[in-house]
Amino acid sequence: KAGVTQTPRYLIKTRGQQVTLSCSPISGHRSVSWYQQTPGQGLQFLFEYFSETQRNKGNFPGRFSGRQFSNSRSEMNVSTLELGDSALYLCASSPTSGDQETQYFGPGTRLLVL
Amino acid sequence: DAKTTQPPSMDCAEGRAANLPCNHSTISGNEYVYWYRQIHSQGPQYIIHGLKNNETNEMASLIITEDRKSSTLILPHATLRDTAVYYCIVRLLNSGNTPLVFGKGTRLSVIA
Repeated sequence: KAGVTQTPRYLIKTRGQQVTLSCSPISGHRSVSWYQQTPGQGLQFLFEYFSETQRNKGNFPGRFSGRQFSNSRSEMNVSTLELGDSALYLCASSPTSGDQETQYFGPGTRLLVL
Repeated sequence: DAKTTQPPSMDCAEGRAANLPCNHSTISGNEYVYWYRQIHSQGPQYIIHGLKNNETNEMASLIITEDRKSSTLILPHATLRDTAVYYCIVRLLNSGNTPLVFGKGTRLSVIA
């Protein structure tokens, strides 16, 4: 099976702009989670989508949003970018079946905000 | 906050077993122990997980103490490609998909 794919892999934006990142989960996986990784804060959970519904949300401002499509692909959006939004954004998918909810991560999108 | 404590760094000679410890003294009965690793600038890679029995797969072995308050991840024959940050995570599994809470992990350096 192909792994989790994320596009684009690298992105440069300026403050105030908005950005959309895309994630395609492993085939058959219905849950998609997003994480942000920065040197200062480490890996932090953003949100999780399952069957097109947000099921969990981390402690991030409303500028961070996401959605999931009927084919389980997911996008996350960050509006009004700030310098502190520079980070590696990671997507993880899981099948969510019983106790086999292991999350498998994609390679990430590295966002630089200037 | 992460519910685990790991040493910040460890070294291991290539070809030897790498034993990475993790303390999770407040773990509850229905929480699993998960291990992931992250090679520089890549996405975390799932290694193994367990509830109370020892587990082994093609990558590693997971030894959980009988009281479940600590565990050890064992890479039986470490190679240079095993150099990474290793994260031990305690996670509740239920009908919802609980997020992974990452701590700072252990930076393992495999030395030739």
